[in-house]
Amino acid sequence: ETGVTQTPRHLVMGMTNKKSLKCEQHLGHNAMYWYKQSAKKPLELMFVYNFKEQTENNSVPSRFSPECPNSSHLFLHLHTLQPEDSALYLCASSQVGGKNEAFFGQGTRLTVV
Amino acid sequence: GEDVEQSLFLSVREGDSSVINCTYTDSSSTYLYWYKQEPGAGLQLLTYIFSNMDMKQDQRLTVLLNKKDKHLSLRIADTQTGDSAIYFCAVLYGGATNKLIFGTGTLLAVQP
Repeated sequence: ETGVTQTPRHLVMGMTNKKSLKCEQHLGHNAMYWYKQSAKKPLELMFVYNFKEQTENNSVPSRFSPECPNSSHLFLHLHTLQPEDSALYLCASSQVGGKNEAFFGQGTRLTVV
Repeated sequence: GEDVEQSLFLSVREGDSSVINCTYTDSSSTYLYWYKQEPGAGLQLLTYIFSNMDMKQDQRLTVLLNKKDKHLSLRIADTQTGDSAIYFCAVLYGGATNKLIFGTGTLLAVQP
Protein backbone atom coordinates (compact mmCIF):
# COMPACT_ATOMS: atom_id res chain seq x y z
CA GLU A 1 0.00 0.00 0.00
CA THR A 2 1.67 3.18 -1.19
CA GLY A 3 -0.86 5.69 0.14
CA VAL A 4 -2.08 6.49 -3.37
CA THR A 5 -5.36 4.87 -4.39
CA GLN A 6 -6.72 4.76 -7.91
CA THR A 7 -10.21 3.75 -8.98
CA PRO A 8 -11.35 1.92 -10.92
CA ARG A 9 -8.60 -0.65 -11.40
CA HIS A 10 -10.00 -1.68 -14.77
CA LEU A 11 -12.23 0.20 -17.19
CA VAL A 12 -13.64 -0.71 -20.58
CA MET A 13 -15.32 2.11 -22.46
CA GLY A 14 -16.70 2.81 -25.90
CA MET A 15 -15.39 5.63 -28.03
CA THR A 16 -18.49 7.74 -27.40
CA ASN A 17 -18.55 7.28 -23.62
CA LYS A 18 -17.57 9.73 -20.93
CA LYS A 19 -15.82 8.35 -17.88
CA SER A 20 -13.54 9.57 -15.12
CA LEU A 21 -10.52 8.12 -13.38
CA LYS A 22 -10.01 8.98 -9.75
CA CYS A 23 -6.87 9.24 -7.67
CA GLU A 24 -6.63 9.94 -3.96
CA GLN A 25 -3.49 10.32 -1.88
CA HIS A 26 -3.31 10.03 1.91
CA LEU A 27 0.29 11.19 2.24
CA GLY A 28 -0.18 14.93 2.71
CA HIS A 29 1.67 15.62 -0.54
CA ASN A 30 1.31 18.84 -2.50
CA ALA A 31 1.98 17.61 -6.04
CA MET A 32 0.07 15.07 -8.11
CA TYR A 33 0.73 13.59 -11.54
CA TRP A 34 -0.93 11.59 -14.30
CA TYR A 35 1.20 9.23 -16.38
CA LYS A 36 0.28 7.00 -19.31
CA GLN A 37 1.99 3.64 -19.73
CA SER A 38 1.47 1.89 -23.06
CA ALA A 39 3.11 -1.21 -24.42
CA LYS A 40 6.42 -0.51 -26.16
CA LYS A 41 6.47 3.15 -25.10
CA PRO A 42 8.15 4.96 -22.22
CA LEU A 43 6.12 6.10 -19.26
CA GLU A 44 4.64 9.37 -20.52
CA LEU A 45 4.07 12.31 -18.22
CA MET A 46 0.65 13.81 -18.98
CA PHE A 47 -0.14 16.40 -16.32
CA VAL A 48 1.46 17.88 -13.21
CA TYR A 49 -0.39 19.70 -10.46
CA ASN A 50 1.56 21.62 -7.82
CA PHE A 51 -0.49 23.00 -4.94
CA LYS A 52 -3.68 22.28 -6.98
CA GLU A 53 -2.44 24.38 -9.92
CA GLN A 54 -1.68 22.72 -13.23
CA THR A 55 1.97 23.38 -14.03
CA GLU A 56 2.47 20.94 -16.87
CA ASN A 57 0.38 19.74 -19.77
CA ASN A 58 2.62 17.59 -21.89
CA SER A 59 0.82 18.17 -25.20
CA VAL A 60 -2.05 15.93 -24.16
CA PRO A 61 -5.12 15.85 -26.45
CA SER A 62 -8.16 17.69 -25.16
CA ARG A 63 -10.15 14.46 -24.91
CA PHE A 64 -8.22 14.03 -21.63
CA SER A 65 -9.25 16.63 -19.07
CA PRO A 66 -7.66 16.70 -15.62
CA GLU A 67 -9.21 18.14 -12.50
CA CYS A 68 -7.59 18.74 -9.12
CA PRO A 69 -10.20 20.01 -6.64
CA ASN A 70 -7.82 19.81 -3.68
CA SER A 71 -4.32 18.59 -2.97
CA SER A 72 -5.53 15.07 -2.08
CA HIS A 73 -7.65 14.32 -5.13
CA LEU A 74 -6.96 14.17 -8.83
CA PHE A 75 -9.32 13.19 -11.62
CA LEU A 76 -8.85 12.43 -15.28
CA HIS A 77 -12.02 12.98 -17.28
CA LEU A 78 -12.21 10.98 -20.49
CA HIS A 79 -14.36 11.84 -23.50
CA THR A 80 -14.51 10.42 -27.04
CA LEU A 81 -11.34 8.40 -26.67
CA GLN A 82 -9.65 6.39 -29.40
CA PRO A 83 -8.55 2.75 -29.27
CA GLU A 84 -4.90 3.90 -29.17
CA ASP A 85 -5.67 5.55 -25.82
CA SER A 86 -5.92 2.09 -24.27
CA ALA A 87 -3.16 1.93 -21.67
CA LEU A 88 -2.36 1.80 -17.97
CA TYR A 89 -2.96 5.22 -16.42
CA LEU A 90 -0.87 5.83 -13.34
CA CYS A 91 -1.35 8.52 -10.74
CA ALA A 92 1.46 9.64 -8.46
CA SER A 93 1.96 12.16 -5.70
CA SER A 94 5.01 13.77 -4.14
CA GLN A 95 6.06 16.50 -1.74
CA VAL A 96 7.65 19.38 -3.63
CA GLY A 97 10.97 20.40 -2.13
CA GLY A 98 13.49 17.99 -0.68
CA LYS A 99 13.88 14.67 -2.41
CA ASN A 100 10.41 14.81 -3.95
CA GLU A 101 9.90 11.04 -3.99
CA ALA A 102 6.91 10.11 -6.11
CA PHE A 103 4.56 7.43 -4.83
CA PHE A 104 2.41 5.65 -7.37
CA GLY A 105 -1.03 4.16 -7.34
CA GLN A 106 -1.70 0.71 -8.79
CA GLY A 107 -3.03 2.26 -11.98
CA THR A 108 -6.22 2.00 -13.99
CA ARG A 109 -6.10 -0.38 -16.94
CA LEU A 110 -8.17 1.36 -19.61
CA THR A 111 -9.44 -0.39 -22.73
CA VAL A 112 -11.21 1.65 -25.40
CA VAL A 113 -13.40 -0.39 -27.73
CA GLY B 1 14.64 18.20 -24.43
CA GLU B 2 14.43 15.87 -21.48
CA ASP B 3 15.13 12.38 -22.74
CA VAL B 4 15.92 9.46 -20.46
CA GLU B 5 17.08 6.23 -22.05
CA GLN B 6 17.74 2.70 -20.86
CA SER B 7 18.55 -0.61 -22.47
CA LEU B 8 15.42 -2.71 -22.85
CA PHE B 9 16.49 -6.07 -21.47
CA LEU B 10 19.00 -7.67 -19.10
CA SER B 11 19.32 -11.32 -18.21
CA VAL B 12 21.40 -12.57 -15.28
CA ARG B 13 21.81 -15.74 -13.26
CA GLU B 14 20.61 -15.95 -9.69
CA GLY B 15 23.38 -14.89 -7.31
CA ASP B 16 25.18 -12.73 -9.87
CA SER B 17 25.23 -8.93 -9.82
CA SER B 18 22.98 -6.96 -12.16
CA VAL B 19 23.87 -3.54 -13.53
CA ILE B 20 21.15 -1.47 -15.15
CA ASN B 21 22.20 1.67 -16.97
CA CYS B 22 20.45 4.93 -17.73
CA THR B 23 21.45 8.04 -19.67
CA TYR B 24 19.75 11.40 -19.69
CA THR B 25 20.14 14.55 -21.71
CA ASP B 26 19.26 17.56 -19.56
CA SER B 27 21.87 18.52 -16.98
CA SER B 28 19.48 20.58 -14.83
CA SER B 29 18.34 17.51 -12.91
CA THR B 30 18.07 17.70 -9.13
CA TYR B 31 17.18 14.20 -7.98
CA LEU B 32 17.43 10.89 -9.82
CA TYR B 33 15.50 7.77 -8.88
CA TRP B 34 15.18 4.07 -9.52
CA TYR B 35 11.74 2.48 -9.55
CA LYS B 36 10.69 -1.16 -9.83
CA GLN B 37 7.52 -2.39 -11.50
CA GLU B 38 6.31 -5.94 -11.07
CA PRO B 39 3.67 -7.40 -13.42
CA GLY B 40 0.24 -5.84 -12.95
CA ALA B 41 1.48 -3.40 -10.33
CA GLY B 42 2.29 0.28 -10.07
CA LEU B 43 5.79 1.65 -9.65
CA GLN B 44 7.64 1.18 -6.39
CA LEU B 45 10.45 3.56 -5.43
CA LEU B 46 13.66 1.65 -4.73
CA THR B 47 16.20 4.37 -4.11
CA TYR B 48 17.24 7.86 -5.15
CA ILE B 49 20.36 10.01 -5.39
CA PHE B 50 20.80 13.75 -5.21
CA SER B 51 22.57 15.27 -8.19
CA ASN B 52 25.58 16.45 -6.15
CA MET B 53 26.38 12.90 -5.04
CA ASP B 54 28.20 10.29 -7.08
CA MET B 55 27.34 7.14 -5.16
CA LYS B 56 24.73 5.84 -2.80
CA GLN B 57 24.51 2.39 -1.25
CA ASP B 58 21.36 0.90 0.24
CA GLN B 59 21.67 -2.77 1.26
CA ARG B 60 21.96 -4.76 -2.00
CA LEU B 61 21.50 -1.66 -4.14
CA THR B 62 24.28 0.67 -5.28
CA VAL B 63 23.54 3.76 -7.33
CA LEU B 64 26.32 5.44 -9.29
CA LEU B 65 25.93 8.86 -10.87
CA ASN B 66 28.33 10.34 -13.41
CA LYS B 67 26.97 13.82 -13.84
CA LYS B 68 29.56 14.81 -16.43
CA ASP B 69 28.50 11.95 -18.71
CA LYS B 70 24.84 12.16 -17.60
CA HIS B 71 24.93 8.47 -16.73
CA LEU B 72 23.15 6.72 -13.88
CA SER B 73 23.43 3.06 -12.95
CA LEU B 74 21.81 0.67 -10.52
CA ARG B 75 23.75 -2.34 -9.29
CA ILE B 76 21.85 -5.15 -7.57
CA ALA B 77 24.14 -7.48 -5.66
CA ASP B 78 23.28 -11.19 -5.25
CA THR B 79 20.34 -10.93 -7.64
CA GLN B 80 17.37 -13.11 -6.72
CA THR B 81 14.46 -14.42 -8.80
CA GLY B 82 12.22 -12.00 -6.89
CA ASP B 83 14.18 -9.15 -8.42
CA SER B 84 12.75 -10.00 -11.85
CA ALA B 85 10.79 -6.90 -12.87
CA ILE B 86 11.00 -3.79 -15.00
CA TYR B 87 13.33 -1.12 -13.61
CA PHE B 88 12.83 2.52 -14.46
CA CYS B 89 15.18 5.38 -13.89
CA ALA B 90 13.58 8.78 -13.42
CA VAL B 91 14.98 12.28 -13.44
CA LEU B 92 13.47 15.22 -11.57
CA TYR B 93 13.69 18.62 -13.15
CA GLY B 94 12.85 21.21 -10.59
CA GLY B 95 11.67 24.75 -11.00
CA ALA B 96 8.04 25.71 -11.45
CA THR B 97 6.94 22.61 -13.33
CA ASN B 98 8.41 19.94 -11.06
CA LYS B 99 8.65 17.41 -13.89
CA LEU B 100 9.57 13.79 -13.21
CA ILE B 101 10.64 12.13 -16.46
CA PHE B 102 10.98 8.37 -16.72
CA GLY B 103 13.23 6.21 -18.82
CA THR B 104 12.03 3.49 -21.14
CA GLY B 105 12.44 0.78 -18.52
CA THR B 106 14.75 -2.25 -18.41
CA LEU B 107 13.26 -5.71 -18.08
CA LEU B 108 15.46 -7.72 -15.72
CA ALA B 109 15.10 -11.48 -16.06
CA VAL B 110 16.77 -13.57 -13.37
CA GLN B 111 17.50 -17.17 -14.35
CA PRO B 112 17.58 -19.77 -11.54
